[in-house]
Amino acid sequence: DIQMTQSPFPLSAFIGDTVTITCRSSQYIGYHLNWFQQKEGEAPKLLIFRASSVQSGVPGRFRGRGSGTDFTLTISSLQPEDSATYYCQQSFVTPRTFGQGTKVEVK
Amino acid sequence: AQLVESGGGLVKPGGSLRLSCSGSQLSSNNVYMTWVRQAPGKGLEWVGRIRGGADGGTTDYAAPVKGRFSISRDKSTDTFYLEMNGLKVDDTAVYFCTAEVNDWSTYYFDHWGQGTRVTVSS
Repeated sequence: DIQMTQSPFPLSAFIGDTVTITCRSSQYIGYHLNWFQQKEGEAPKLLIFRASSVQSGVPGRFRGRGSGTDFTLTISSLQPEDSATYYCQQSFVTPRTFGQGTKVEVK
Repeated sequence: AQLVESGGGLVKPGGSLRLSCSGSQLSSNNVYMTWVRQAPGKGLEWVGRIRGGADGGTTDYAAPVKGRFSISRDKSTDTFYLEMNGLKVDDTAVYFCTAEVNDWSTYYFDHWGQGTRVTVSS
């Protein structure tokens, strides 16, 4: 199975800051990387697919980059509602696998 | 599409439970209806999937559940199921159903249910 490793874990920042979460896959996955946001008690929500494509309705301050084995999710101008856990997930092969999650606290 | 899970509850180790997910997109060839679970305080874990479409129905499973869990579908009601047998304490989790779409050979989970809680305890 492909292992997905995220860093940092966790992360704390102030309103208005820019933060970057890194995701690394144990094998090559091309652009087959998605990012999700999950708030406490809720289902995950798709933010970014195909490494850098922003899902409809997601604010433009969320940006995804990367290919191969190294990927990033950048949140610019951090807002209070961005407090959540963020997961990367590979869709290159089955079984699909997720990173362990990065909890973002907005102070 | 709105996905709605049901069927969760408390079950003893070794017991069985069947989860349902309505509102699925089983008529589409470009969808895999999928179960993802989340143990208390833990991350997301892919459980398995079933392919939609007239020629679909093929299934894949994660290693921890293979041989114990079974995914099936009812295209007439757009419902798919997760039959769980031989349940273990480690299967305790919130189970989400989600639709993985094939978008020009890119796959992603774009719709999720609210989740249903399964607790395995004696």
